Amino acid sequence: DQQVKQNSPSLSVQEGRISILNCDYTNSMFDYFLWYKKYPAEGPTFLISISSIKDKNEDGRFTVFLNKSAKHLSLHIVPSQPGDSAVYFCAASAKRGGGADGLTFGKGTHLIIQP
Amino acid sequence: ETGVTQSPTHLIKTRGQQVTLRCSSQSGHNTVSWYQQALGQGPQFIFQYYREEENGRGNFPPRFSGLQFPNYSSELNVNALELDDSALYLCASSLDQGRGNTIYFGEGSWLTVV
Repeated sequence: DQQVKQNSPSLSVQEGRISILNCDYTNSMFDYFLWYKKYPAEGPTFLISISSIKDKNEDGRFTVFLNKSAKHLSLHIVPSQPGDSAVYFCAASAKRGGGADGLTFGKGTHLIIQP
Repeated sequence: ETGVTQSPTHLIKTRGQQVTLRCSSQSGHNTVSWYQQALGQGPQFIFQYYREEENGRGNFPPRFSGLQFPNYSSELNVNALELDDSALYLCASSLDQGRGNTIYFGEGSWLTVV
């Protein structure tokens, strides 16, 4: 039973355009969400996070939107750059404090930025 | 650079053997958690240590065990290795059990069981 789903295994976007990565979750106890970026042979790198008390968080080219009623979040990257090509993981943690239950990850979306 | 370091980076073990993986957390972080990432999957939570005590565990059998030391570094031990244990093992550090705080990952230890 996958509690965090990233339904697009891969996404191809032209350089300079907007990349939108989607994530759905089923556990209503999740209250903190994070996006990580991962290059091959490296560990996940933290990108941006959002608490359930917000519906948007922005950091430079990265914006995360949270729709609690739909249990959906998305990561927008504008403009997309070649260095953004990587696997992106959506992760969530639960009201119990997150830490003790760890993060629940999706399977990832491989973003490919085309020149 | 997250400040989380793991060793070894790669290792090969035989089925039935035991393995110990090591992690140094980021300076000032008192919480370490371990994740297993199989090929094509997202990382899966194994367990977490906070101030030297295990305070959370995912769906992994008891042959996965760990330790956290007074300097907050940590070890993951896996006994009776199985072929399915072949994966990338990630260590993550955070402050105060990661409650709403950013969790930083190391680069991982690649384990191959043959």
